[in-house]
Amino acid sequence: AQTVTQSQPEMSVQEAETVTLSCTYDTSESDYYLFWYKQPPSRQMILVIRQEAYKQQNATENRFSVNFQKAAKSFSLKISDSQLGDAAMYFCAYRSEGDDMRFGAGTRLTVKP
Amino acid sequence: ETGVTQTPRHLVMGMTNKKSLKCEQHLGHNAMYWYKQSAKKPLELMFVYSLEERVENNSVPSRFSPECPNSSHLFLHLHTLQPEDSALYLCASSHLINGANVLTFGAGSRLTVL
Repeated sequence: AQTVTQSQPEMSVQEAETVTLSCTYDTSESDYYLFWYKQPPSRQMILVIRQEAYKQQNATENRFSVNFQKAAKSFSLKISDSQLGDAAMYFCAYRSEGDDMRFGAGTRLTVKP
Repeated sequence: ETGVTQTPRHLVMGMTNKKSLKCEQHLGHNAMYWYKQSAKKPLELMFVYSLEERVENNSVPSRFSPECPNSSHLFLHLHTLQPEDSALYLCASSHLINGANVLTFGAGSRLTVL
């Protein structure tokens, strides 16, 4: 079974600084999709960014970007110019064709003013 | 809160009670999901409904009983729960198509079993 590991239960960053959240996954598939979801306190989980494994170019969404290392099975999320509203739980997720989405245990990000 | 709506947001119940969680989506999605979120653990997929048919059970205890009367509504019926069932229960929906199959989540129902 595919597993997703987030090795950092908690992270903190100073406002306006950059932070990187780590994610590794285990799979024997060659085609799959990777996601980062954000869950603010008491609010619903929303998609931050996604990456197709067949694409070599790292996905970017405004201040959010990923470092996708397929050979290393690594998918880290970089948040630039951190804002107070970025404080949340961040979940890394994996999905291959015909399979359900698998989530990591999450990383709680604190943003210090 | 838009897209996927869950009610109630908070529920406290005794072990002998029977209650239900409700999920509603009007996004035109054809797949709906129940996830269990416990502290410091990955989200656990409980049930998947595709085109209103259940396609996955994941060995969930029978004290949890899902119901999907149509493509827009999903219920989770609860009876004789245990304290360890206390968690945040998340509903999600998606287009069941090949590809990324991005999930849209509800805000969750926080369940406390006394």
